[in-house]
Amino acid sequence: KAGVTQTPRYLIKTRGQQVTLSCSPISGHRSVSWYQQTPGQGLQFLFEYFSETQRNKGNFPGRFSGRQFSNSRSEMNVSTLELGDSALYLCASSLEEGVETQYFGPGTRLLVL
Amino acid sequence: GQNIDQPTEMTATEGAIVQINCTYQTSGFNGLFWYQQHAGEAPTFLSYNVLDGLEEKGRFSSFLSRSKGYSYLLLKELQMKDSASYLCAVRDHGVDSNYQLIWGAGTKLIIKP
Repeated sequence: KAGVTQTPRYLIKTRGQQVTLSCSPISGHRSVSWYQQTPGQGLQFLFEYFSETQRNKGNFPGRFSGRQFSNSRSEMNVSTLELGDSALYLCASSLEEGVETQYFGPGTRLLVL
Repeated sequence: GQNIDQPTEMTATEGAIVQINCTYQTSGFNGLFWYQQHAGEAPTFLSYNVLDGLEEKGRFSSFLSRSKGYSYLLLKELQMKDSASYLCAVRDHGVDSNYQLIWGAGTKLIIKP
């Protein structure tokens, strides 16, 4: 089985722009979670999607949004980028919701200038 | 509140044993995960404990005491490739009946020859 894939792998944007990141879960996995990882902060939970519905949301501003499609693929959007949004964005998939064992993609490294 | 504590960094010698501790405070504990993350890579699943006791998996073992809010990851016969960050994550059953993962900041393990 192919693992979790994320595109793009690297991205450079400037302040004020918006960005869309994509995640394709492992085949058969229906839950997708998104995380932000910065040095020293660890993994910060953004949101979890299951069956095209957002099930959980972390403590991030409304500039961060996401969605899930019928094939379980998910996108994450960040509008009005700020310098502090520079981070590694990780997507993780699991079979069901409720946080079973999660399998992570390689991440998208976003740099905001 | 919800809180997970791990040491920031540990150093050990190749061939030795190291124990990485994790203490947690959550309102609805429902399992604890350990993940390994090599620099520049995504986290990978190591172990899952939901009942008290020791789970052994090759050179790695994980222990849980729910009454003490405490877990440890034990690595034996350390190899250079074990140099990585080790993340502790607790599955918490929130008041809205949704599960979410709460992550520690990770312990960076440095293995010396």
